[in-house]
Amino acid sequence: QKEVEQNSGPLSVPEGAIASLNCTYSDRVSQSFFWYRQYSGKSPELIMSIYSNGDKEDGRFTAQLNKASQYVSLLIRDSQPSDSATYLCAVNVAYDMRFGAGTRLTVKP
Amino acid sequence: GAVVSQHPSWVICKSGTSVKIECRSLDFQATTMFWYRQFPKQSLMLMATSNEGSKATYEQGVEKDKFLINHASLTLSTLTVTSAHPEDSSFYICSASIAGDSYEQYFGPGTRLTVT
Repeated sequence: QKEVEQNSGPLSVPEGAIASLNCTYSDRVSQSFFWYRQYSGKSPELIMSIYSNGDKEDGRFTAQLNKASQYVSLLIRDSQPSDSATYLCAVNVAYDMRFGAGTRLTVKP
Repeated sequence: GAVVSQHPSWVICKSGTSVKIECRSLDFQATTMFWYRQFPKQSLMLMATSNEGSKATYEQGVEKDKFLINHASLTLSTLTVTSAHPEDSSFYICSASIAGDSYEQYFGPGTRLTVT
């Protein structure tokens, strides 16, 4: 079982819709959870971090964490074509960060 | 805040030569820096973790004598690819963590290495 699993996609949503990205992890002692956005040919950019169970909202982005289910998700409301990118889920145990393979999101105008 | 730079942004070198890539945290002190490699359409692969003033910790399968990492200060880490070969051609990305309780990693813009 991979440490951090994501659906590779591609996930395609129409402009204005909600995009839902999911991630599961295997290490129960994981402490910190992150979502990064990576445009093609560019390095990852941190968009959300979440440390405790529940929801965390930042603008159009909402991260959800359920430690009991070892599940973290990212919702993007009012999706825009500029949101088209690969989204990487990352999970930390102290400084040991592991990345999922990423989900490619396409937002169609 | 939390800006990380890399230099060069791209480099082409001949097989057998060495290439040095610099990673700098511009507006914060980074006790820990990380080096990743990413091949086309693949995810990030952690190569090594370096702490200022100590030897880097390499991931399994990464040759420490080939990928030399130096973390001389709290704002600078370097990766030297020695005796580069075409299979070393990749996108090399560094990241840095801010000293303290946060484990967030801030990534540099990456360096695209092509070995001919």
